[in-house]
Amino acid sequence: EVQLVESGGGLVQPGGSLRLSCAASGFTFSSYWMHWVRQAPGKGLVWVSRINSDGSSTSYADSVKGRFTISRDNAKNTLYLQMNSLRAEDTAVYYCARESLVEWLVPDYWGQGTLVTVSS
Amino acid sequence: DIQLTQSPSFLSASVGDRVTITCRASQGISSYLAWYQQKPGKAPKLLIYAASTLQSGVPSRFSGSGSGTEFTLTISSLQPEDFATYYCQQLNSYPPTFGQGTKVEIK
Repeated sequence: EVQLVESGGGLVQPGGSLRLSCAASGFTFSSYWMHWVRQAPGKGLVWVSRINSDGSSTSYADSVKGRFTISRDNAKNTLYLQMNSLRAEDTAVYYCARESLVEWLVPDYWGQGTLVTVSS
Repeated sequence: DIQLTQSPSFLSASVGDRVTITCRASQGISSYLAWYQQKPGKAPKLLIYAASTLQSGVPSRFSGSGSGTEFTLTISSLQPEDFATYYCQQLNSYPPTFGQGTKVEIK
């Protein structure tokens, strides 16, 4: 069974940093591209970042470019999102998601999410 | 960025009803569109990709159609477990944007 379990969320002050983790199991993690998608409280889904299977290629939404860094450790089956210079508007549930092998860019499995709250 | 507009934003329906949700793109996206279902406090679930291909394990009462700029998600006979919020997502170009969502509630 495919499982994605996020952790690392919490309360952080504006300007602070946080690192999210996503532990993957039930599939060959090193074969899949991975995504982070966020959802502000009561709002819709917003794509944040994507990384290829070996970690050599990344992409970001303009709103987080230069502040967030996506990475992965295939030996540990874990995806990361390093978030720096956090702003109030970064407050959201952050989901990690696995990209489908048969359809480009489509996340086919999602974790349950971890809540990040940026507030003083 | 490509904008996706879903209509309606809110829908009230009864069990057994046929429900149709529309997603319109601000420019042509061929068939690069996916649909997701999200229940409160839960992760999104992929229902349909490539506009009309049913994800494995998704009931056949769900169907998708369309290409270019106009797409529809249809639930042929609404079941109690289908009350949720539905999102479309375009995968034609970066960034992969989502529609604002359509909440389906019980009448």
